[in-house]
Amino acid sequence: DVKVTQSSRYLVKRTGEKVFLECVQDMDHENMFWYRQDPGLGLRLIYFSYDVKMKEKGDIPEGYSVSREKKERFSLILESASTNQTSMYLCASSARSGITYNEQFFGPGTRLTVL
Amino acid sequence: DQQVKQNSPSLSVQEGRISILNCDYTNSMFDYFLWYKKYPAEGPTFLISISSIKDKNEDGRFTVFLNKSAKHLSLHIVPSQPGDSAVYFCAASHNNNDMRFGAGTRLTVKP
Repeated sequence: DVKVTQSSRYLVKRTGEKVFLECVQDMDHENMFWYRQDPGLGLRLIYFSYDVKMKEKGDIPEGYSVSREKKERFSLILESASTNQTSMYLCASSARSGITYNEQFFGPGTRLTVL
Repeated sequence: DQQVKQNSPSLSVQEGRISILNCDYTNSMFDYFLWYKKYPAEGPTFLISISSIKDKNEDGRFTVFLNKSAKHLSLHIVPSQPGDSAVYFCAASHNNNDMRFGAGTRLTVKP
């Protein structure tokens, strides 16, 4: 059974704190993604990674950074949390194939509240 | 600017009837489209997909239709069941690694 896990389901942090969200997948997938989900806006891509130590900006990278030191792990970092980063954060992974498209598998999400 | 749009935030249908969820996109480079289903407190799960070379894909009660000229796709669920009640996200990709999602439509199927 394929699995994407996220380190926390719920997290409460204070403005200005550094926040780490961890994601681990056990499917040996090359691609990993971080999204945030907000009402009326759907899922918006923050960053993604094609391979270890590789990263690409998504649509809303401002205020975030990422780290991919191992294939199975993709971390999202909020250097200085702000209240507008209160959201549901979703991690996903997918296999890379040159021909066929591959679905993304999602973790359960981390609901982050910044006070 | 959202490249994938789901203009109906919610939809309510009676059990046994057809549910039709709609999605529009603006980027003509998209060549693969997916629908995801999301229950509360869970991550989205893949439901069905379609390549741009096709105009229809069917999987049991679920059918996705693609109209490339109108940049429009739709998901048909028939017959609808109460267990189908969830938020449905439309997604589109122009390569195998990058994907854009719509805002979602909350479907409620009433018994």
